[in-house]
Amino acid sequence: KAGVTQTPRYLIKTRGQQVTLSCSPISGHRSVSWYQQTPGQGLQFLFEYFSETQRNKGNFPGRFSGRQFSNSRSEMNVSTLELGDSALYLCASSPLSGRAGEQFFGPGTRLTVL
Amino acid sequence: KQEVTQIPAALSVPEGENLVLNCSFTDSAIYNLQWFRQDPGKGLTSLLLIQSSQREQTSGRLNASLDKSSGRSTLYIAASQPGDSATYLCAWGGGADGLTFGKGTHLIIQP
Repeated sequence: KAGVTQTPRYLIKTRGQQVTLSCSPISGHRSVSWYQQTPGQGLQFLFEYFSETQRNKGNFPGRFSGRQFSNSRSEMNVSTLELGDSALYLCASSPLSGRAGEQFFGPGTRLTVL
Repeated sequence: KQEVTQIPAALSVPEGENLVLNCSFTDSAIYNLQWFRQDPGKGLTSLLLIQSSQREQTSGRLNASLDKSSGRSTLYIAASQPGDSATYLCAWGGGADGLTFGKGTHLIIQP
């Protein structure tokens, strides 16, 4: 079974631009979560989607948004990029809707903001 | 707010040693605890998941235990190998609430 895939793998943008990252979960997984990883803050939860509904969002500004499609694929968008948005963005999928589900991570998208 | 702490932050040991990585958490609510491995610049690889009703899980040379009453989990690596060199992360939670991660233990196994 194919794992979680994320595109693109690397991205370079300039301040003020916007960016869209894509995540395809493992087949059959309906829960998709997004995380931001930086050297200073470590891994932080961005948001989680299940059946096209955002169920929870971490402590991030409104510039960070996302959506999930009917095939469970998910995108996240960051508008008005800032230098501090440079990070590894990780997507994870889980087969279960509740808390019992093991989370499987993709390889990440490395975003550099200049 | 859930906090997850990992000790030590870094560890360097010679090949063949058995070692223990520690993880502590502040909220013992009914959640999963998951251990991951991360190689430089890569995503996370799930190693072991301990569900809230379980006390330990084993996979090959890895064994993870969970003690909710004390808010602790340990990852035991037997007969360490250079290929085990990576950052090991523990995370508490799951589902709609997402995972809360520790800062990780950076492990180096010397050949």
